[in-house]
Amino acid sequence: SQQGEEDPQALSIQEGENATMNCSYKTSINNLQWYRQNSGRGLVHLILIRSNEREKHSGRLRVTLDTSKKSSSLLITASRAADTASYFCAMVSTGGFKTIFGAGTRLFVKA
Amino acid sequence: GAVVSQHPSWVICKSGTSVKIECRSLDFQATTMFWYRQFPKQSLMLMATSNEGSKATYEQGVEKDKFLINHASLTLSTLTVTSAHPEDSSFYICSARDRRVEKLFFGSGTQLSVL
Repeated sequence: SQQGEEDPQALSIQEGENATMNCSYKTSINNLQWYRQNSGRGLVHLILIRSNEREKHSGRLRVTLDTSKKSSSLLITASRAADTASYFCAMVSTGGFKTIFGAGTRLFVKA
Repeated sequence: GAVVSQHPSWVICKSGTSVKIECRSLDFQATTMFWYRQFPKQSLMLMATSNEGSKATYEQGVEKDKFLINHASLTLSTLTVTSAHPEDSSFYICSARDRRVEKLFFGSGTQLSVL
């Protein structure tokens, strides 16, 4: 199945710094979502942004979407050690219903 | 929020045996559930879409006779790995879409180890 691409693959930062992850995709989408996965666990939904939206906020999370460039970014501000996890973008293509995941970014926040 | 329960969390089995994994939506009806497979440090690969009351739709390259999916009710889908072999060892995750909120809710995953 077609995946989105994410960069960086891995990111290591100090607590308090901001973390930015990027996602690019290939097809037209209905919406794009970001999920978090702690090691060996299921995924937790973080935020959804629709194709007609450009930016969305939720607490320390900020998501942007640029449909002309087929890309999205997730910004985590004032990171905490507890933010250490893998983050995945996921998208539902226009007219579809399957959710396809990007490759993921492994974030490590050092205390 | 919506809850998806997946059992078992982990299973170790001998090569050649079959393993059944259950996925239940606890507080919403899920006409569609999705099964994913994840290898260590990799992303989730969609295996199949489970449709209540009808046959599952498998992604290209996924053997339908190997990975049997049954979606007998609006709250339960099962994945059976038949005649499991070591190469089937992986983390399997189910998800269900709650149409009311357009989100996918995930089970906690099943780590399968085939000896």
